[in-house]
Amino acid sequence: AQSVTQPDIHITVSEGASLELRCNYSYGATPYLFWYVQSPGQGLQLLLKYFSGDTLVQGIKGFEAEFKRSQSSFNLRKPSVHWSDAAEYFCAVAPSGGYQKVTFGIGTKLQVIP
Amino acid sequence: DTAVSQTPKYLVTQMGNDKSIKCEQNLGHDTMYWYKQDSKKFLKIMFSYNNKELIINETVPNRFSPKSPDKAHLNLHINSLELGDSAVYFCASSQDPGTEAFFGQGTRLTVV
Repeated sequence: AQSVTQPDIHITVSEGASLELRCNYSYGATPYLFWYVQSPGQGLQLLLKYFSGDTLVQGIKGFEAEFKRSQSSFNLRKPSVHWSDAAEYFCAVAPSGGYQKVTFGIGTKLQVIP
Repeated sequence: DTAVSQTPKYLVTQMGNDKSIKCEQNLGHDTMYWYKQDSKKFLKIMFSYNNKELIINETVPNRFSPKSPDKAHLNLHINSLELGDSAVYFCASSQDPGTEAFFGQGTRLTVV
């Protein structure tokens, strides 16, 4: 079965600084990979996804993520963080091929300080 | 126009009661899900339906029973509520299982 590790439970960055949130997965083949964001009191919103092709994927709100097969990683990045980016970020993985369960990481809480 | 809507948003009830949470999606998706998010924000799938058929049924007490009257609706009924059932329950939908999902706003269930 697949698994997802988000090693950072809580990250604090200054507004305007760059951001990288880490995600490592465990799965035998190339999986489907996702990043979701959850603002307080809200449901999850998809930031970006990787299914195949270009390993650098662009998402909404200026986020991007890079799939690195050799490191089993799918880290999320943003060059300049805004105060409104403060939220919980979830990495998720599903086996490719459809009809499969999505497994979520435990989430990374991002705090943005002025 | 909300894509995935679930009601109620908040639900406070006593132990032993039976309650239902309703979910509707207007995205035309074939797959719907129920997730449970605990107090530590851990998100775990409970059920998944594809074209009204149950395709994922995780290890969930049989007090929890999903019902999908049609592809646009997936309701969750919970019998004999326990304190440990307190959590936020999210409904979601996707075009196919295992692809990107759209989530509802969540239902915060508190059992007292």
